[in-house]
Amino acid sequence: QVQLVQSGAEVKKPGASVKVSCKASGYTFTSYYMHWVRQAPGQGLEWMGIINSSGGSTSYAQKLQGRVTMTRDTSTSTVYMELSSLRSEDTAMYYCARGGYDGNWGPYFDYWGQGSLVTVSS
Amino acid sequence: EIVLTQSPGTLSLSPGERATLSCRASQSVSSSYLAWYQQKPGQAPRLLICGASSRATGIPDRFSGSGSGTDFTLTISRLEPEDFAVYYCQQYGSSPRYTFGQGTKLEIK
Repeated sequence: QVQLVQSGAEVKKPGASVKVSCKASGYTFTSYYMHWVRQAPGQGLEWMGIINSSGGSTSYAQKLQGRVTMTRDTSTSTVYMELSSLRSEDTAMYYCARGGYDGNWGPYFDYWGQGSLVTVSS
Repeated sequence: EIVLTQSPGTLSLSPGERATLSCRASQSVSSSYLAWYQQKPGQAPRLLICGASSRATGIPDRFSGSGSGTDFTLTISRLEPEDFAVYYCQQYGSSPRYTFGQGTKLEIK
């Protein structure tokens, strides 16, 4: 069965960086894209970006350009999301979610990780 | 950027009743690119409907999606206690870009 298992909660100070991992299993990792979606406390969902798990190409939400970096390690079937210059508004639950396959970004997210809470506080 | 507006913000119904949730787009959206998710407290979202009307794997047939262009609807025919949650619509645009509606909270009356 498809599983996306994320790293644990993090507490960071403003200006610091955070790196969240998402380990995939139960499917051919390199055949699918992976997204990151975040949700501030009590708020809705915000798409952050997408990574091609095979070639590593990325596309990021304009709002986060320059602060977010998504990478992958095909040897461990793990994708990473690093967010820099953290501010209080970045406090949120961060989710990885599987996207399209065979070279297509895909229009939706069919499997989700359990979420990783990132808290930014001085 | 396409904006999705969901209504109502909160819907109060009783188990056994029919729920109708609306998602309106600021520009026309291809039906192939409209999805619905359910999120329960403390859980990740779960894909319910893709392509505006196709149920995802394992989703009960009391959930149905419809619509086209700028107006889409999620219908739950007979509410079960486990259906009370927040529901989000989501659309895909080129570049790629993905946007979500602000959500509809379905609560027990």
